[in-house]
Amino acid sequence: GIQVEQSPPDLILQEGANSTLRCNFSDSVNNLQWFHQNPWGQLINLFYIPSGTKQNGRLSATTVATERYSLLYISSSQTTDSGVYFCAVGESNYQLIWGAGTKLIIKP
Amino acid sequence: DTGVSQDPRHKITKRGQNVTFRCDPISEHNRLYWYRQTLGQGPEFLTYFQNEAQLEKSRLLSDRFSAERPKGSFSTLEIQRTEQGDSAMYLCASSWTSPTARNEQFFGPGTRLTVL
Repeated sequence: GIQVEQSPPDLILQEGANSTLRCNFSDSVNNLQWFHQNPWGQLINLFYIPSGTKQNGRLSATTVATERYSLLYISSSQTTDSGVYFCAVGESNYQLIWGAGTKLIIKP
Repeated sequence: DTGVSQDPRHKITKRGQNVTFRCDPISEHNRLYWYRQTLGQGPEFLTYFQNEAQLEKSRLLSDRFSAERPKGSFSTLEIQRTEQGDSAMYLCASSWTSPTARNEQFFGPGTRLTVL
């Protein structure tokens, strides 16, 4: 089955810094979603992006499907951005396969 | 749109007891999914329904796990004879899926199970 790798596993930044999170996947996918899991465990949808580029405020994402990777950019980080960021991909039309996440800590 | 809801949010039980969790999906969504997440890991797919039909259940962790969606609305996940290894966060998600619609999944807040 598909393998999903996220990097870096941990990231500690000062408030105001920018960051890039990466997601590599091992095969073609028809679904790719980025999530933010907050400290209470809630998974928040950030982007549905099987290909192309999207932006939402300080966050943007790019997926290059032919090269099997996706990037999540966070600009001007805030302490509320802390948490775990997951990339999840789908090859079938139901289950999502998840990376291990990037744990982001933003220090004030 | 009230989002996906799950009940209870926390459950503490003793080994050997049965537990049941409920999930209410986003009302217009036709698919409902169950995942399990252990500490430090991404969620792991368990099963899913399209309307009331359970279309994939081979990923349920053992025959102690079962799920239902009797009227195609809410769903329940039951774990019989709980073991300490069942301690985890159980997540429910839903989506609207059709041949022309994207399969974007939205998640509930989860039920955190602790088996003593």
